[in-house]
Parts: sequence; structure tokens; C-alpha cells
Amino acid sequence: DAGVTQSPTHLIKTRGQQVTLRCSPKSGHDTVSWYQQALGQGPQFIFQYYEEEERQRGNFPDRFSGHQFPNYSSELNVNALLLGDSALYLCASSFQDRSQYFGPGTRLTVT
Amino acid sequence: AQKVTQAQTEISVVEKEDVTLDCVYETRDTTYYLFWYKQPPSGELVFLIRRNSFDEQNEISGRYSWNFQKSTSSFNFTITASQVVDSAVYFCALSERGRGGGSQGNLIFGKGTKLSVKP
Repeated sequence: DAGVTQSPTHLIKTRGQQVTLRCSPKSGHDTVSWYQQALGQGPQFIFQYYEEEERQRGNFPDRFSGHQFPNYSSELNVNALLLGDSALYLCASSFQDRSQYFGPGTRLTVT
Repeated sequence: AQKVTQAQTEISVVEKEDVTLDCVYETRDTTYYLFWYKQPPSGELVFLIRRNSFDEQNEISGRYSWNFQKSTSSFNFTITASQVVDSAVYFCALSERGRGGGSQGNLIFGKGTKLSVKP
């Protein structure tokens, strides 16, 4: 039974560019949440998708957007990248409101 | 506002020692959920436990045990007879009740406690 998978593993982008990160949820899960984890900090909630709609959003600017597909996989898009967007981006999946299981993350470096 | 405080930034122990990781939380909700996650150097957060606010029974799972005390808003985690493989960053997290009755999406994490277990 595959767990949560994320791609790519690492990514280097230049300030001002746009990036798309991908997540496939654990089998049987229908809800995907995205978190940003800066170095030495705990993860911070970006948003959550359920039934292809954004259900809840954290305190992140509109530059951060997402999408959920009919097969429950999800994308996180970040526009106009800033140096401060450098972080580990974690995807978590769950079955509705049950416990969240995390993927290995995508390490984004903005130069 | 919800908040999770893990006052211990780093802890270092020798293998076979017992170690307790502290977690103090703040919330105005009467129904909430508490979690512990382990983050090894690989980066993936590993789910350890979820606890409902209305269930104050302590839980034991092998060498791991959790002490939930609503009176002091604490949810502490103890590792008995620590091993080198326990070395990781441990996060405590809090969430509100979701629409479906379970935990909501936005997990509020503490800053984590880095545990180093030396042989």
C-alpha cells in the first residue's frame, strides 16, 4: 500500500519564477493538505482540498494556489517566487477529517 | 487563538535512558485533537498518535507513552529505554474539530524538539 508521494524531491528556482509541486495521496484518502516548513520551524498550514475544492486556507498570500484532481491528487502552485519561499513543502492526505499522513516533502530553494 | 509550545529545543540522552518531551497547548475550543509526529533526517513526518480532548486516558505503545492532562493543557510524550533510531525531531500539534466530527485540516504545530540519542 503506497503512502503519500510527492514530486519532485528537490527543486531550485530563481526569484520571480513560478513553481508547481505535486502530491498523490495515500490509497483510500480523499483529502489533501499542504504545509510549508521553514528550516528549524514547525510546518505551517497553507490550504486543504476536498472534493476538488479549497476547503480551508491558512495565512498565505494569493501567490499560493492549488488544485485537486478527480483522482484526489493535488498540485501546489507558487507564483512570483521570493527568497522567503525557500522551504520544505509537505503534503498530507487523510480520509475526510481523520488523521493526516505526510509525504516525504519537496525541498524548494529560491535563489 | 490556538498555540502549541514545545519549550525544549534540543535534548541529548544516552541510549537506554528514558526521555520525556513536553508539549503545552492553548485553545478556546472544548473539542480538539492533539497529535505527535516524528521527523527523521529524511524529512517525512511520521504519525505517532492522535488524542481527542474528551479522552484523557494515557496511552502506551511499546516504548512510547503519552500523558494527556487537560488541567495543565499538556500532552507529554515519553520514550522508555531510548534507542539511537529514536533520534529525530518530534512535533506536537493541535487541531480543532472538523465539520465531519474529526480533526480539521489546519494542524497547528509547535517548533519541535530535536532528540539526539547517543550510543
